[in-house]
Amino acid sequence: DAGITQSPRYKITETGRQVTLMCHQTWSHSYMFWYRQDLGHGLRLIYYSAAADITDKGEVPDGYVVSRSKTENFPLTLESATRSQTSVYFCASSESPGTGIEQYFGPGTRLTVT
Amino acid sequence: SQQGEEDPQALSIQEGENATMNCSYKTSINNLQWYRQNSGRGLVHLILIRSNEREKHSGRLRVTLDTSKKSSSLLITASRAADTASYFCATDDRSGYALNFGKGTSLLVTP
Repeated sequence: DAGITQSPRYKITETGRQVTLMCHQTWSHSYMFWYRQDLGHGLRLIYYSAAADITDKGEVPDGYVVSRSKTENFPLTLESATRSQTSVYFCASSESPGTGIEQYFGPGTRLTVT
Repeated sequence: SQQGEEDPQALSIQEGENATMNCSYKTSINNLQWYRQNSGRGLVHLILIRSNEREKHSGRLRVTLDTSKKSSSLLITASRAADTASYFCATDDRSGYALNFGKGTSLLVTP
């Protein structure tokens, strides 16, 4: 399917487990982003990537790892999940955000850490 | 850190009425965007206004930008029940690549 997809859509995991959230886009956009959305905080940037093999930290990167071996995929890994990482995670992509181009968002992954 | 702050946090109106949401930001911007989020869904881009623009229209949407006051407003005219959603303003973050989002305005449009 065309667009940007995330999997899984819902995930329940236990504290201390490793979990990977997947993001896939079909537009060949250079830039990809991971945000988390929490009540009272809005959306906060975790990591972003400007191209394959180029990633950089956002506002709240601690406890997360990203990789981008292919342009279309941008997985987010929680190395050892904590309850504070319970959140809704959104992946987004953009052609060239430096010029004020819109970002396209996936449907989100609701993660619960017990 | 959040750059934009929307006001009000929540707004309830009836179909046919106009809805106005405001966004204030702290530092200079190149452009400002508005997004909509329906319940349980991802964000959808609505409109972008550049720092050298004062007003922009798209269908029933009207966005204004006042860089001297560091504020923007989003007006939805003749609202419909389908406009029920959260609305976020967003500005470029320090990297110039990602976006800083406000906490959003929750709009409820009742029939």
